[in-house]
Amino acid sequence: EAGVAQSPRYKIIEKRQSVAFWCNPISGHATLYWYQQILGQGPKLLIQFQNNGVVDDSQLPKDRFSAERLKGVDSTLKIQPAKLEDSAVYLCASSFQGLRNEQFFGPGTRLTVL
Amino acid sequence: GESVGLHLPTLSVQEGDNSIINCAYSNSASDYFIWYKQESGKGPQFIIDIRSNMDKRQGQRVTVLLNKTVKHLSLQIAATQPGDSAVYFCAENHYGQNFVFGPGTRLSALP
Repeated sequence: EAGVAQSPRYKIIEKRQSVAFWCNPISGHATLYWYQQILGQGPKLLIQFQNNGVVDDSQLPKDRFSAERLKGVDSTLKIQPAKLEDSAVYLCASSFQGLRNEQFFGPGTRLTVL
Repeated sequence: GESVGLHLPTLSVQEGDNSIINCAYSNSASDYFIWYKQESGKGPQFIIDIRSNMDKRQGQRVTVLLNKTVKHLSLQIAATQPGDSAVYFCAENHYGQNFVFGPGTRLSALP
């Protein structure tokens, strides 16, 4: 079974630039999550989708971050404009159905903002 | 806000010895807990979970203990191997809310 795919794996940008991350969840998984993991910390949930609808985006900085999951499969996370404190690994995870099902994580995208 | 934390940020263990990783949580309403393992350059990987109606749960070489009285859980790894070297996170959940992850403990298996 193929795992969660993410691209790119690494990205370096300057502050105030924009960046986008892509995630392809495990086939058949209805729930998709984006996490931010700052170096030395545990992952922090940014947004949760159930199919193509947003379940929870309470911790998403909506002035600069946006995410979508068109057609309920792939998802993109965008940052515009980026700040230095956005430097982190952005993890995508998916689960079959809902929060209590096991989440499978992708390898993440490491973002460095200079 | 509610938080989950770890007592030890790093842990070095001789290969073959048992490892114990600790986690404290502060939300007494949390009723579901997961331990994750994260290797360098990879996303977290589910190890074992436990619900609040249990005190202990065993997997293959791993055991999770939950003490609700002091809001503490631990992960025990038997016969630590080089492949166990990673960062371990506990995550707690209260039904209907999202998981809160602790800061992680780095486990190093020494030869």
